[in-house]
Amino acid sequence: QKEVEQNSGPLSVPEGAIASLNCTYSDRVSQSFFWYRQYSGKSPELIMSIYSNGDKEDGRFTAQLNKASQYVSLLIRDSQPSDSATYLCAVNIRGTNAGKSTFGDGTTLTVKP
Amino acid sequence: DAGVIQSPRHEVTEMGQEVTLRCKPISGHDYLFWYRQTMMRGLELLIYFNNNVPIDDSGMPEDRFSAKMPNASFSTLKIQPSEPRDSAVYFCASSLASTGWRAEAFFGQGTRLTVV
Repeated sequence: QKEVEQNSGPLSVPEGAIASLNCTYSDRVSQSFFWYRQYSGKSPELIMSIYSNGDKEDGRFTAQLNKASQYVSLLIRDSQPSDSATYLCAVNIRGTNAGKSTFGDGTTLTVKP
Repeated sequence: DAGVIQSPRHEVTEMGQEVTLRCKPISGHDYLFWYRQTMMRGLELLIYFNNNVPIDDSGMPEDRFSAKMPNASFSTLKIQPSEPRDSAVYFCASSLASTGWRAEAFFGQGTRLTVV
C-alpha cells in the first residue's frame, strides 16, 4: 500500500461546479497535510495546509481532514478553467523526519468552460 | 526573495555522460530536498538535507546518483554515468526547520533532463 493515495482521475467538471479531490494516508502519526497545485510544465505550489480535524476554508478552496479515517480532501467551489491542473496531496509526520513530505501521485483536474 | 533557483532548466545529454544539477535554496531555509518526477512514478523524494547534512538518501535509485550540499546556499545532484531511464524532471525544494512538521516545501522551477 502506498503511503499517500489519491483518487486516480482524471477528473473533469464543468465551469462553476464543485470539484472534489480525495486523499488517504497510511501512517497514523501523520500530522500535517498539504495540497499543492501543479500546472503542466510548472513546479508544485502550495495552496492549502491543514493540521486539525475539520474544515479549513480559503476563498473557493476548502480542505477537510478526518484523522480517524486517515482521510483528507480538497473541495474547489465555483471551479474555473484556471483551476485545471494536477493536485498533489502531501503528508508530513512528527519526529526526526518532521520536515519531509510524502506526496501522492496527484489527480489531474480539467474544468470545462 | 527569488525563491529556489535551479540550473540548468533543461539538459540534454548522451548516455554515459556525467550530469550535474544545481540548486540554491531560499535564504534561511535549512531543509533541502531533491525530488524526481516522472509520469510513471510521480514525485519521488531522492534525498534531503538538514543544515547541510544528508538525513535520508534512501530514495537515491543507484550509486550512479550522488548529492552534496557544501554550504547553506548551494546543493548539487550528480548522475554519473547517465542512462535514458534517468530522463525526468528533477525538482529541488527547501523549507524552514523551525516550522517542524508544519514545514511547507517551496519548489524550484525544475530541471528537465533528457538522456539520449
